Amino acid sequence: DGGITQSPKYLFRKEGQNVTLSCEQNLNHDAMYWYRQDPGQGLRLIYYSQIVNDFQKGDIAEGYSVSREKKESFPLTVTSAQKNPTAFYLCASSTQRPPAGIPYGYTFGSGTRLTVV
Amino acid sequence: EDKVVQSPLSLVVHEGDTVTLNCSYEVTNFRSLLWYKQEKKAPTFLFMLTSSGIEKKSGRLSSILDKKELFSILNITATQTGDSAIYLCAVEEYGNKLVFGAGTILRVKS
Repeated sequence: DGGITQSPKYLFRKEGQNVTLSCEQNLNHDAMYWYRQDPGQGLRLIYYSQIVNDFQKGDIAEGYSVSREKKESFPLTVTSAQKNPTAFYLCASSTQRPPAGIPYGYTFGSGTRLTVV
Repeated sequence: EDKVVQSPLSLVVHEGDTVTLNCSYEVTNFRSLLWYKQEKKAPTFLFMLTSSGIEKKSGRLSSILDKKELFSILNITATQTGDSAIYLCAVEEYGNKLVFGAGTILRVKS
């Protein structure tokens, strides 16, 4: 079945370490996104990519990095510069130009819960 | 700055009650408004609204959009414990951008 796979489901990071969250999709979607979810703050956009080898910063990109070498994959690295990385991270993908009245078809992964220990 | 504001932030009701969740927005290039239900992990799509005054219904859930006043409501009638979740409102802008509200946490007690 088509979908988005995020791994791992749970991740523990020591302070000062970089960690990479995986996101893979087989929906043939051009666009991919990373969101961070904190209690009471909804989903905030970290980075997004509308095409291979290109990506843009979202609202809270500081302390994160991404790459988009393949259409199917959009890994997110949480660097040691991110001072408060404990959160729930959601990856999503979407189509680019659906007909009028049709949503972009955002599909979400199941998320990765990152905890700093 | 684009923003989507949901209210209330949380709500506790008893089974059988009717609830109304609110979403107001200010965005630059409005394309549509979306409602999602998030239980433990991935948000699941509920409704897409593009035109004012046209109610969308799915079982006990319904939603309507007012593009003049820039808000939408999501109604749930005869609530059940399985309706307990976070309800997210998001506005699609042209260019794929999706702006989310903070969500409303709904808890239905038996």
